[in-house]
Amino acid sequence: DTGVSQNPRHKITKRGQNVTFRCDPISEHNRLYWYRQTLGQGPEFLTYFQNEAQLEKSRLLSDRFSAERPKGSFSTLEIQRTEQGDSAMYLCASSLAAQGHPGGYTFGSGTRLTVV
Amino acid sequence: AQKVTQAQTEISVVEKEDVTLDCVYETRDTTYYLFWYKQPPSGELVFLIRRNSFDEQNEISGRYSWNFQKSTSSFNFTITASQVVDSAVYFCALSEAKGNTGKLIFGQGTTLQVKP
Repeated sequence: DTGVSQNPRHKITKRGQNVTFRCDPISEHNRLYWYRQTLGQGPEFLTYFQNEAQLEKSRLLSDRFSAERPKGSFSTLEIQRTEQGDSAMYLCASSLAAQGHPGGYTFGSGTRLTVV
Repeated sequence: AQKVTQAQTEISVVEKEDVTLDCVYETRDTTYYLFWYKQPPSGELVFLIRRNSFDEQNEISGRYSWNFQKSTSSFNFTITASQVVDSAVYFCALSEAKGNTGKLIFGQGTTLQVKP
């Protein structure tokens, strides 16, 4: 297994356009998390899935954001009508169970979004 | 409320020096988990350690050691005989057991620069 894979690595888009990111977790991991990281800050939780069920969404996730995890495998994060404030690194993480037991959460390399 | 504070924004040391990265956390939960992650320039968060709130034993892994003190709500990380490859941003994170969400609350990170 090659770990958590995120695509694309970089995305530049014009304000107002829609973008979609993909995350492929480690195959046996049932938990999948999305985080957003802006420059100089720690990652902030956006949402998470257990299998295909989306169990919690942060207040940071406005109605322009939507995430899915069909069939409990890969996940997509879509941002509609992008704004410059959406520019950030979007990180995906997966784990076998809650609390990252025993080996912590495995993070992908992230998708860096730049809205111009 | 949950909060993680890493008061040191940037630390610069010369190779072979020891360095300690501070982490102070706030939580009302009695059961929680603490993590340290390393983020090299490539951007991927690399898991270093996970510690639960009931285990206050210090841990050593090679040149890395962690000092967990519930009395002061601190979980500090020491690198002994630092190397240039240790240069990265280091994040401390907290996950509460309540709700079983597993979401991580990150500190703002400490940028460590190890000079040759």
